[in-house]
Amino acid sequence: SQTIHQWPATLVQPVGSPLSLECTVEGTSNPNLYWYRQAAGRGLQLLFYSVGIGQISSEVPQNLSASRPQDRQFILSSKKLLLSDSGFYLCAWSVWGVGNSPLHFGNGTRLTVT
Amino acid sequence: AQSVTQPDIHITVSEGASLELRCNYSYGATPYLFWYVQSPGQGLQLLLKYFSGDTLVQGIKGFEAEFKRSQSSFNLRKPSVHWSDAAEYFCAVGAPTNAGKSTFGDGTTLTVKP
Repeated sequence: SQTIHQWPATLVQPVGSPLSLECTVEGTSNPNLYWYRQAAGRGLQLLFYSVGIGQISSEVPQNLSASRPQDRQFILSSKKLLLSDSGFYLCAWSVWGVGNSPLHFGNGTRLTVT
Repeated sequence: AQSVTQPDIHITVSEGASLELRCNYSYGATPYLFWYVQSPGQGLQLLLKYFSGDTLVQGIKGFEAEFKRSQSSFNLRKPSVHWSDAAEYFCAVGAPTNAGKSTFGDGTTLTVKP
């Protein structure tokens, strides 16, 4: 069966510090990968998605970047965090080539920028 | 552009009572529709999905949803709520070419009274 791992679960970082959140998927090949952000009391906002190694699409301009160095690894990064980067970050995957494949989410990372 | 509205921010029901969570969507063609559930501090889990065919779809945990094209709605229902159903519920609409790029509603928080 497929599993998705996301870490760390919680993170407190000072303003201006770098960020690296990692997500890996097991049990499937060539998945579509996504980073979503969830603000308190709000829905999910798609930040990045990837349909293959090295292929990253950004949905919103921001202080963050994403990379996919391996087929089942997706990394969310920042060189200098802002207060507004605080939130709950969710990694997800879906089946490549299946337009109606739903999302499968990790357990999320709670990021607090102080 | 696709959009989703969940009119109810918070709903409280008694255990054993019936439940209906509302979802209205905007999309130019036949949408892909999803309901997800999120427990506190966790990722989202798929409850059910609609792509085509029978407009009444069954999901996990005893939930069902009905697609009504004329009303642009996809309401979630459960005949008898259990205390463990307390969570946040998200409706999402997906694009046919990539359902992972779903647009999410802001969510409805369900509280279950004993």
